Amino acid sequence: QSALTQPASVSGSPGQSITVSCSGIISDVANDDLVSWYQKYPGKAPKLIIFEVHKRPSGVSNRFSGSKSGNTASLTISGLQPEDEGEYYCSSYAGGPVVFGGGTTLTVL
Amino acid sequence: QVQLVESGGGVGQPGTSLRLSCEVSGFSLRSYGMHWVRQAPHKGLEWVAVIWYDGSKRYYADAVNGRFSISRDNSKNMVYLQMNSLRVEDTAIYYCARDAYWEAAAGNPDFWGQGTLVSVSS
Repeated sequence: QSALTQPASVSGSPGQSITVSCSGIISDVANDDLVSWYQKYPGKAPKLIIFEVHKRPSGVSNRFSGSKSGNTASLTISGLQPEDEGEYYCSSYAGGPVVFGGGTTLTVL
Repeated sequence: QVQLVESGGGVGQPGTSLRLSCEVSGFSLRSYGMHWVRQAPHKGLEWVAVIWYDGSKRYYADAVNGRFSISRDNSKNMVYLQMNSLRVEDTAIYYCARDAYWEAAAGNPDFWGQGTLVSVSS
């Protein structure tokens, strides 16, 4: 149950786009479309922003998008806004257990 | 609306036990798998356990396997996490979370509670 690999931090200026990667062992991500992304603020519960690689729950801004290539999934946030600053986690269903990435801190400069 | 409320956290010494509870509302618990996920201080999210919607399967993270047990009581809209032989490294906020899929094998969580803090210290 090794954690998925995410960059520790990314940053961008308001209006720019950023991408957060999430790589994992092949059986976790490459052969499975059950990849989700969560947004988390300190002291708050995680919020689902992407599921099944690229789908957005109702109410989530279309500035958030997801994709996957091989054993790496990606979250892209376009038109960065100050309120996007926080932590972002990927997760993958591993046929029973769930594996999370180590998390990425997004700083909006 | 979907709500999950955790309780039962607190302070314990290494080797002791705690039972966390998660009361759900706004959906039919019997139709969804349920997860526990934790976040240690200054660390990332760590998946802990899942119980399938029908209770037929339970899976645990290696770090808690053999010490923690997940269970559910659909009649009471409750999910539990029995934590035995607690260790200092179990200190974390514990979140209860609903699986995203209706009457299916467990996948990733969608809705989360606000969490309950467990602190293990001698």
